[in-house]
Amino acid sequence: QQQVKQSPQSLIVQKGGISIINCAYENTAFDYFPWYQQFPGKGPALLIAIRPDVSEKKEGRFTISFNKSAKQFSLHIMDSQPGDSATYFCATSGSRLTFGEGTQLTVNP
Amino acid sequence: GAGVSQSPSNKVTEKGKDVELRCDPISGHTALYWYRQSLGQGLEFLIYFQGNSAPDKSGLPSDRFSAERTGGSVSTLTIQRTQQEDSAVYLCASSLGYRGVQPQHFGDGTRLSIL
Repeated sequence: QQQVKQSPQSLIVQKGGISIINCAYENTAFDYFPWYQQFPGKGPALLIAIRPDVSEKKEGRFTISFNKSAKQFSLHIMDSQPGDSATYFCATSGSRLTFGEGTQLTVNP
Repeated sequence: GAGVSQSPSNKVTEKGKDVELRCDPISGHTALYWYRQSLGQGLEFLIYFQGNSAPDKSGLPSDRFSAERTGGSVSTLTIQRTQQEDSAVYLCASSLGYRGVQPQHFGDGTRLSIL
C-alpha cells in the first residue's frame, strides 16, 4: 500500500500568518503532487499541483515546495485568511491518487 | 457547467438494510472514482472506472460493497446488509482521463448513517 504521511493533523494560525503543511511519500515513481482543499459539507477541490521536475510552484498566496531527494513536499499559505479555514489533503499520483490523512486548518481573525 | 452530482445527499437506514448511492459525473469524463471519508478522516479509495476497462475494485472493504457504471456515465455504489461501521460520507469524483495527473472533480458526497 502506497503511503503518504501528512502533518500536522491540525493547525491554528492567526490572520496574516503563514500556514505550512507537510507531506512525505515513499514511492519515487510518483509524477504528480496535488493539494486539495475541503470545506465542511463539500467535496475536496483541487487547489494547486506540482510535477517533480520543478522545486516550487506559486499561485497567488499558495506555494508548493518540492524536495525530490527527501521525498517531501509542502504547502505554504501566505497571509492566511479566515476564509482559508478548511481541511487540506496532499496526494501523490502513481497508478491512481493516494491521499494523505488531511490537515484541519483554522485561521483566527 | 454542471459538476459531479451525488444523490441522495443524506441517507439514514437501519442496520442490515441495503443502500444504493448514485453518482452523475461531469459529462465527457471517462474516469470515475468512489471514496469513503469517515468523520475527521482522510479519503479511503474504494473503486474506480476508466472507460470500458475492468474496474479497479482493490479498495472495496468487503464483498458487501459493489459498484457499477452504466453506459460509461452514471455510477451506483451498493452496500448490502449495512453495518454501523459503514457510516461515513461517500464521495464520488470524475476526471477527463485515468492517472492522477488529471484533476479529480468531486461531488459533495452522500452522508450515510446506519442506525
